[in-house]
This record gives sequence, C-alpha cells and structure tokens, in this order.
Amino acid sequence: DIQMTQSPSSVSASVGDRVTITCRASQGISNRLAWYQQKTGKVPRLLIYAASSLQGGVSSRFSGSGSGTYFTLTISNLQPEDFATYYCQQANSFPLVFGPGTRVDL
Amino acid sequence: EVLLVESGGDSVQPGGSLRLSCAAAGFIFRDYEMNWVRQAPGKGLEWISHVSSGSRTIAYADSVKGRFTVSRDNAKNYVYLQMESLRAEDTAIYYCVKDQNMVTTNWFDSWGQGTLVTVSS
Repeated sequence: DIQMTQSPSSVSASVGDRVTITCRASQGISNRLAWYQQKTGKVPRLLIYAASSLQGGVSSRFSGSGSGTYFTLTISNLQPEDFATYYCQQANSFPLVFGPGTRVDL
Repeated sequence: EVLLVESGGDSVQPGGSLRLSCAAAGFIFRDYEMNWVRQAPGKGLEWISHVSSGSRTIAYADSVKGRFTVSRDNAKNYVYLQMESLRAEDTAIYYCVKDQNMVTTNWFDSWGQGTLVTVSS
C-alpha cells in the first residue's frame, strides 16, 4: 500500500504570508494527487486535483505542484478564511490514502 | 446542485451492526463512482470504501475489509455501507463522497454532511 506523509504537521502564519505544505508518497503516483481543505466542524473541500489543477470556485491563491513522490501545496497571500487543516490524498491505486494533515493557524 | 445526504448513524455496542445510507441528487448518479470516507473524532480523514458506477469494481481499506460491505442502487440513487462486527475504533463521522468525474479520478468533489457512528459499551 502507498503511504502518504505531510510536513509540517502544523504551521503558524499571518495574514498575507505565503505557506507551502509538502506531501510525499511512499512510491510514485504520477500526478494522481488531490488536496483538500477542512475547516473546523466543516466538510472537506477539494482544492487541487491532478497535483496542479485548481478545482472550480477555488481561489487562485492556492496552487499545487509535483509529480511522482513529491508534491507541494502553496497558499499565497494567506487570508483569514484560509486557516484550516489541509490534506493530500493519493488517487493512484487502492487503497486510496489521505495524508495525516497539516494545520495552518494564526 | 449536488446533494448527498447520509443517514443511519447511531450508537451501537461493540460487535453490533449498522447500515448507512446515502441519498444522492443533482447529478446522474448511475454515471459516477462513489466512496465512503470517515473521520474519527479529532483525527484525520480515512478512505474506507469505493464502488464503481455499475458496481463492478469494489474496494475497501484493510481496516474494514471483511466487515463492511458497500453497495448501490442506481434506480433509487442510493449508496449503502453495511457495517458488521463494529469496533470502538470504527467510531467516526462517515461521509458519502462523489468522484469528480464520470471517468475515474478517485478524488472527491462533493461530500455529504456526514453521519456519526459511535461504538461503545
């Protein structure tokens, strides 16, 4: 099974900052990676799919990159509504696996 | 607008059973693959099951394999999760989630609000 790791596990940031979250897969998954945002008490929301494609309705402040085993999610010009937990997810093969999450807080 | 509404969550004793249902609307249900994802209290997301549009492909996480069974009724626009031999570690919010595309993507663009399953004596 493919294992997913994320770093950091949490990051403190300020409004206007640029934040980068890293996700690593234990084996190559091409670009078969998604990123989700989950705010406290809310349902997760798809942000990025296919490693770098922005889901409709998602702010262009979010961007994704990477392929193979190394991926990043970058949030530019951090806004108050961006404080949340972010999860990567490998979509290459079953079992599908989410990363452990990265909390972005103030 | 896509709508996914889960039901069936409850409090049960270890070893018990539950059947979760997910009613889907707002899209051509029979064309999309569906999954279940769960989240234990204060924990991260865990994918647990997949069913293809025609139920030909079914997959499970190791943590539930042999205990949970996923199914769907394309005539009624429902997907189900039958859970047997429940354990304390199955305590979680269970989300019904929709694949993004009619072609397999295995990422999820629509999530239900979730239904809570509590396993405790």
